[in-house]
Amino acid sequence: DTGVSQDPRHKITKRGQNVTFRCDPISEHNRLYWYRQTLGQGPEFLTYFQNEAQLEKSRLLSDRFSAERPKGSFSTLEIQRTEQGDSAMYLCASRGQNEKLFFGSGTQLSVL
Amino acid sequence: GQSLEQPSEVTAVEGAIVQINCTYQTSGFYGLSWYQQHDGGAPTFLSYNALDGLEETGRFSSFLSRSDSYGYLLLQELQMKDSASYFCAVNYGQNFVFGPGTRLSVLP
Repeated sequence: DTGVSQDPRHKITKRGQNVTFRCDPISEHNRLYWYRQTLGQGPEFLTYFQNEAQLEKSRLLSDRFSAERPKGSFSTLEIQRTEQGDSAMYLCASRGQNEKLFFGSGTQLSVL
Repeated sequence: GQSLEQPSEVTAVEGAIVQINCTYQTSGFYGLSWYQQHDGGAPTFLSYNALDGLEETGRFSSFLSRSDSYGYLLLQELQMKDSASYFCAVNYGQNFVFGPGTRLSVLP
């Protein structure tokens, strides 16, 4: 169990630029989640994959956000035309056969 | 809708017992989880209640009452390292909805 890995740890970008984050889940976990967290708040659900299928997506999620999990292993989250309001910690979590979510250390995005 | 409420802050002294409450306005969920998050760290799983009642895991226990739309996390023999934020989360199967979190400060 090598844990959930996220890359990069930090990303600073200018407003209007596109950014992409990567998540490598625990290898035997077929379920993967993306969350967003701002300071002092709980994680906010963005999207959910089971294997390569994206089964759930938050209705609050702008169409500038897209996520993929092409081979049912790693996942990417892309934000197009970033806005200052997108500044947050982006967390990935994977889940096996029980109810535990295993979170990565997150990608801290700062949009200037 | 999905709405969870937690106290924003709780303070206690080392060695004490503290209870962090979570109330919700939702139904049709599979269970209630608790996560701990230290500053700058990732949330880590503490406990899960699929059924009503008490679940005990070492110094931590969690309780769920679906009829009262209420759960709590009980931390015993508090240690300084327990200073962190604690989140309850409702399991809807394909997503988990997290509460706003309770910041616990443990004083010497």
